[in-house]
Amino acid sequence: NAGVTQTPKFRVLKTGQSMTLLCAQDMNHEYMYWYRQDPGMGLRLIHYSVGEGTTAKGEVPDGYNVSRLKKQNFLLGLESAAPSQTSVYFCASSVPGLAGYNEQFFGPGTRLTVL
Amino acid sequence: SQQGEEDPQALSIQEGENATMNCSYKTSINNLQWYRQNSGRGLVHLILIRSNEREKHSGRLRVTLDTSKKSSSLLITASRAADTASYFCATGSYGGSQGNLIFGKGTKLSVKP
Repeated sequence: NAGVTQTPKFRVLKTGQSMTLLCAQDMNHEYMYWYRQDPGMGLRLIHYSVGEGTTAKGEVPDGYNVSRLKKQNFLLGLESAAPSQTSVYFCASSVPGLAGYNEQFFGPGTRLTVL
Repeated sequence: SQQGEEDPQALSIQEGENATMNCSYKTSINNLQWYRQNSGRGLVHLILIRSNEREKHSGRLRVTLDTSKKSSSLLITASRAADTASYFCATGSYGGSQGNLIFGKGTKLSVKP
């Protein structure tokens, strides 16, 4: 099993460009998450999904959109990239559970630079 | 908003020594988890402790939870160079959205051989 994979690993964008980050998991997990990690800030939740076809906003959703058309995939889109979106993006998945009651499995991350 | 705050921010020890990291949080929780992140990698789950538990062990890891003080500690015994990583606490609570954890800013541990 590959676990959680993320595509691409690195990307450089110019301000105003758009891109989509792909997350895929092969563990049949219902829940999926997108986080961003900035120096000294820990991880902050952008959007999450509790099942195919459903998404919800996290702590820092502005400037991002997501889609969960298939259970195994969770896409994060940046419609018009800004330098403030320079960050490392992590995708995670977990089995269902209230109150974060289950461990999350993380992908290796995508390092995004917006010039 | 950050729920957990790890202390210290950075810790440097010699191989074989014990490493202790602390996490403080602000609101009532259902569970607290610790994760490790090696440089340039994703996070890896280490251990979960429920709010009704006080101590939990896993190999060389010992986690304690004091809900009255809203704090937790992670002890790594007999540290190895391979333990060099950042360690994050994450809290889950019924007040938040389903399935969500709130992560602290992490402790960067350096174990020198």
